[in-house]
Amino acid sequence: DAMVIQNPRYQVTQFGKPVTLSCSQTLNHNVMYWYQQKSSQAPKLLFHYYDKDFNNEADTPDNFQSRRPNTSFCFLDIRSPGLGDAAMYLCATSTGLAGVNEQFFGPGTRLTVL
Amino acid sequence: QQPVQSPQAVILREGEDAVINCSSSKALYSVHWYRQKHGEAPVFLMILLKGGEQKGHDKISASFNEKKQQSSLYLTASQLSYSGTYFCGTIRLYNQGGKLIFGQGTELSVKP
Repeated sequence: DAMVIQNPRYQVTQFGKPVTLSCSQTLNHNVMYWYQQKSSQAPKLLFHYYDKDFNNEADTPDNFQSRRPNTSFCFLDIRSPGLGDAAMYLCATSTGLAGVNEQFFGPGTRLTVL
Repeated sequence: QQPVQSPQAVILREGEDAVINCSSSKALYSVHWYRQKHGEAPVFLMILLKGGEQKGHDKISASFNEKKQQSSLYLTASQLSYSGTYFCGTIRLYNQGGKLIFGQGTELSVKP
């Protein structure tokens, strides 16, 4: 089945130790998104790729970076995780414009920072 | 700007109906509805694209009032499986299209 896959599902890291979360998709969608979701809050968009074009949200900390080496894969790098970065990180995809197309979410990676 | 959902939480008995509202201070071009169960990813329910549009499947439907800048989600004869947090999403336009801004969510609990 076509889907959005995130690895790992659970990630534990230490304060300040870089971590990379990965997302892959078999849907061949051209748009990929990274969201951060903290407990009892709505998903918050960090950035997204429209094909190879990177779009950063104005309030996304510089500590968060992303890479999209090809259509299928997208990575979220957290250079120096702080305690406040502990959250669920959701990857999503859509085809074309976000306004008229549904987003398909992966199962998420729950990040714990010790 | 984040859309505002009401109520924040609702508890139902199986078979009861519920309405979740989503309103925005800015013009709405489309409204998305998603449901998220605890510990899982959000799952798409529907998109409403035009003012006045109504959609539904099974016993979940939604309406979109463009003039009032609001949308409502209707759950009729609720089932236990309807429990979860419901998010509406509105679109903020930019040059390559739009990005989805979620409301704060409405937690729905359906009890036997």
